Amino acid sequence: GENVEQHPSTLSVQEGDSAVIKCTYSDSASNYFPWYKQELGKRPQLIIDIRSNVGEKKDQRIAVTLNKTAKHFSLHITETQPEDSAVYFCAASMSFISNFGNEKLTFGTGTRLTIIP
Amino acid sequence: DTAVSQTPKYLVTQMGNDKSIKCEQNLGHDTMYWYKQDSKKFLKIMFSYNNKELIINETVPNRFSPKSPDKAHLNLHINSLELGDSAVYFCASSQEKVGFGNTIYFGEGSWLTVV
Repeated sequence: GENVEQHPSTLSVQEGDSAVIKCTYSDSASNYFPWYKQELGKRPQLIIDIRSNVGEKKDQRIAVTLNKTAKHFSLHITETQPEDSAVYFCAASMSFISNFGNEKLTFGTGTRLTIIP
Repeated sequence: DTAVSQTPKYLVTQMGNDKSIKCEQNLGHDTMYWYKQDSKKFLKIMFSYNNKELIINETVPNRFSPKSPDKAHLNLHINSLELGDSAVYFCASSQEKVGFGNTIYFGEGSWLTVV
């Protein structure tokens, strides 16, 4: 099955600096890579995702890059703000054309990001 | 108008008891899930259902029995609770987009503590 590794497990950055979180996956058939943000005591929420037919995607201060050959993908947060402090999870799955419901997201182990004011 | 709602939010119970967590989604999604998040924050899928049919059963002890009366509801019943069952249980749902993945929407979580 799929195995997703995520680094670092904790990350502290000064407010205004950039933060980068990296993930690797094992199954070359995986084609969907979402990132979730989980604030303390809250549910995980999707912040950005990327599919295997693109190499990069941006949404304001957040960007994700994907290297299919190396089987790794990264989350980049620029101009960090205190509200970016949370646990971030990467995930990978293989999306089938049929076989609905069998799309099992495998999550990384999470990165606790702390923004220092 | 909560999209994925689950009850109870907090549950403290003794070892050996049986408890249930209920989940409902009003997004019209076809697929629902149960995820478990342990004390180290690891998120792991337990079950998935598509239109009331069990699709994924991720080697969960058979003390855990999901039930989906219709595609908007997925309940989780746990028998003979053990200390190691203490965790946050997240219900989730998604709508399949053929071939390109889908966004999973999580409920608020149910904090289960077994004492």
